[in-house]
Amino acid sequence: EVQLVESGGGLVQPGGSLRLSCAASGFTVSSNYMSWVRQAPGKGLECVSVLYSGDDTFYADSVKGRFTISRDNSKNTMYLQMNGLSAEDSAVYYCVRVGVTYYFHYWGQGTLVTVSS
Amino acid sequence: QSALTQPASASGSPGQSITISCTGSNSNIRLYNYVSWYQHHPGEAPKLILYDVSDRPSGVSYRFSGSKSGNTASLTISGLQAEDEADYYCSSYTSNNNTLVFGGGTRLTVL
Repeated sequence: EVQLVESGGGLVQPGGSLRLSCAASGFTVSSNYMSWVRQAPGKGLECVSVLYSGDDTFYADSVKGRFTISRDNSKNTMYLQMNGLSAEDSAVYYCVRVGVTYYFHYWGQGTLVTVSS
Repeated sequence: QSALTQPASASGSPGQSITISCTGSNSNIRLYNYVSWYQHHPGEAPKLILYDVSDRPSGVSYRFSGSKSGNTASLTISGLQAEDEADYYCSSYTSNNNTLVFGGGTRLTVL
């Protein structure tokens, strides 16, 4: 059974950093496309970053230069390092396994990030 | 401004059918059959209900169907039920940055 469990969210001050983790089970992270999708309060879904199986990456313009997506194959875990956080980054962040024809297949339950002083 | 345009809201009565549109461009929906749809109940994780325009994942009701014409994709829900009340999002692969984009979402109300 595919499972994705996010952790690392919380309250952080503007300008601060957080690292989100996504522990996967039931499949191999390194063999799949993986993504972080967020939903800010009252807003829609936004694809923040994608990690393709060949280590190619994508970042939304809103986070480019501040966020870094990565994985640890030995731990079967994906990460999102978030630096220079602002209130606009406050959202529920979902870890998602992406299907081979580019669909968001399996979703974690999400982790809440709140940026506030 | 989302790359894909959806109506903000839609509504229907139990038993009726409803169609939600998702309008893109030559760089996404028209170019690829990589259109997917998601159902999102507040407080829960979004759920994949259609992929590759019209394919249903295992366990998704046959009442959900999809189609595409030109740069517009559509989600049709037949035999509306109270549990269908949710937010619905479309997504497509795009040649802009070779990645995935979402529509702005449609809030479906079952009257």
